[in-house]
Amino acid sequence: DAGVTQSPTHLIKTRGQQVTLRCSPKSGHDTVSWYQQALGQGPQFIFQYYEEEERQRGNFPDRFSGHQFPNYSSELNVNALLLGDSALYLCASSSGVGYEQYFGPGTRLTVT
Amino acid sequence: QQQVKQSPQSLIVQKGGISIINCAYENTAFDYFPWYQQFPGKGPALLIAIRPDVSEKKEGRFTISFNKSAKQFSLHIMDSQPGDSATYFCAASKEGNFNKFYFGSGTKLNVKP
Repeated sequence: DAGVTQSPTHLIKTRGQQVTLRCSPKSGHDTVSWYQQALGQGPQFIFQYYEEEERQRGNFPDRFSGHQFPNYSSELNVNALLLGDSALYLCASSSGVGYEQYFGPGTRLTVT
Repeated sequence: QQQVKQSPQSLIVQKGGISIINCAYENTAFDYFPWYQQFPGKGPALLIAIRPDVSEKKEGRFTISFNKSAKQFSLHIMDSQPGDSATYFCAASKEGNFNKFYFGSGTKLNVKP
């Protein structure tokens, strides 16, 4: 049973560029949440998708957007990249409003 | 305002000792408190979780103690092993909030052989 998978593993972008990160949830899960984890800090909630709609959003600007597909996989898009966007981006999946959330390995984004 | 405060920032324990990490929360509506373990280069892995209707939950060497009146909860790792060396995060969430987790800032645990 595959857990949460994310791609790519690492990514290097230049300021002002746009990036798309991808996530496939754990089998049987239909809800995907995205978190940003800066170095040495705890994950910060970006937003959550359920039934292809954004259900919750954290304190992140509109440059951060997402999408969920009918197969429950999800994308995180970040426009106009800033140096401060450099972080580990984590995807977590869960079943509906169930509490247990399982994280993927993350995508390490470096903005130069 | 930080919703969940975690301490200490780092912890060194001898093999076989007890590791204790503490968290405090602000929002009394929180009703789910998980602990995650994260190794370098990996995503956080769910370790153990508790609801406020119990004061303690034990799974193997890991125990959560919960004090609802003080709005505090802690993770105890008994018989700590070098393989337990990792960063530990506490988190909190509330029902109906679609799993929006508020994480603590993390505790880097180093278990000396």
